[in-house]
Amino acid sequence: QVKLQQSGAELVKPGASVKLSCKTSGYTFSSSYMSWFKQIPGQSFEWIGVIYAGDGGTGYNQKFKGKATLTVDTSSSTAYMDLSSLTTEDSAVYFCARDYSLFAYWGQGTLVTVSS
Amino acid sequence: DIQMTQSPSSMSASLGDTVTITCLASQDIGNYLSWYQQKPRKSPKLMIYGATNLEDGVPSRFSGSRSGSDYSLTINSLGYDDEGIYHCHQYYEYPYTFGTGTKLELK
Repeated sequence: QVKLQQSGAELVKPGASVKLSCKTSGYTFSSSYMSWFKQIPGQSFEWIGVIYAGDGGTGYNQKFKGKATLTVDTSSSTAYMDLSSLTTEDSAVYFCARDYSLFAYWGQGTLVTVSS
Repeated sequence: DIQMTQSPSSMSASLGDTVTITCLASQDIGNYLSWYQQKPRKSPKLMIYGATNLEDGVPSRFSGSRSGSDYSLTINSLGYDDEGIYHCHQYYEYPYTFGTGTKLELK
């Protein structure tokens, strides 16, 4: 069955960067898309961007350009999201989800807390 | 960006009730509207797509409809398992956007 396993919670200092992972199984990763979302607890979702694992092509929400960088490693069927120059406003739960429009499969989320 | 105005923000209903949640799109999104259910500290679950199509495995008590720019999610015969936060989502154009969520509680 399809599984998306995200990396564990992160506590990072302001100004630092963090790399989140989303390890997949149960489907052909290299011919699929992966999308990423931000959710501040108690609030709704923001779409960050999408990456096609076949060629690494990406599309970003303008709001997250320069903040998030999406990559994949097809050898390990894993998607990554780098978040840079973190501020307290980046504290949130980040989700990966398979596909580019309808999201039937999600990771469990990674909590990122930015605090000094 | 397309704004999705969702209402109500929260609601309380009784077992067996019928409830309706609405999202108003700020511009035309066709039928590119989906609904997700999210339980506390869990990932969202796709319930409805294409405004009216039921995702596999979702009970037929759930239904989606459209009237112009208004999109609705209706839940009939409310059960305790239906508690959670419901989010609408437009996937008509980038950047995809979501409604602000509706928290549904059972009395």
